[in-house]
Amino acid sequence: DARVTQTPRDKVTEMGQEVTMRCQPILGHNTVFWYRQTMMQGLELLAYFRNRAPLDDSGMPKDRFSAEMPDATLATLKIQPSEPRDSAVYFCASSGGLNTEAFFGQGTRLTVV
Amino acid sequence: DQQVKQNSPSLSVQEGRISILNCDYTNSMFDYFLWYKKYPAEGPTFLISISSIKDKNEDGRFTVFLNKSAKHLSLHIVPSQPGDSAVYFCAASARTGSEKLVFGKGTKLTVNP
Repeated sequence: DARVTQTPRDKVTEMGQEVTMRCQPILGHNTVFWYRQTMMQGLELLAYFRNRAPLDDSGMPKDRFSAEMPDATLATLKIQPSEPRDSAVYFCASSGGLNTEAFFGQGTRLTVV
Repeated sequence: DQQVKQNSPSLSVQEGRISILNCDYTNSMFDYFLWYKKYPAEGPTFLISISSIKDKNEDGRFTVFLNKSAKHLSLHIVPSQPGDSAVYFCAASARTGSEKLVFGKGTKLTVNP
């Protein structure tokens, strides 16, 4: 069953707390994306990796966000400290090569109160 | 700067009629275009794609047209069905070694029975 798995599905946290979102890409896919969906901006690209190396994280607020791929089966997106404006749905996606479609996980709905 | 634009936030169509969703892009380096469909509380799912060497790609009820000179693409759904009601995202990438997928803000399609 090839799919991208994200955990947790929902997260409610207080402002100032650390949040970690996890993603398991499809086995064999070498490119992993992190997107954030908001009403105003649609799907914004935060960061992406190829072969575990970060290629572009220009869409990410550097002071509080960090993205890593500790190994080929795990990507993490961390927010520290979290703020109410970070409330959104965060999607992870993976793809298997240049100019192929990306497959999305079901997302993590983050609410920072 | 929005490189991929979907200027219609919503579209309402009668069942059985044609739905036409539009997308414009500004980056002339884009050469691969995709459409995704998204239902509430789910991740986007890939629908259809087109390479810049083509001007049309068809898959069942879905056809994507590409007009490179106008930097415009459209998705035609015919006949439209109530189950097609979803948010449709246009996405683009450039064949420069970067697999970065840039998305539009989406168009919410409602197909009325």
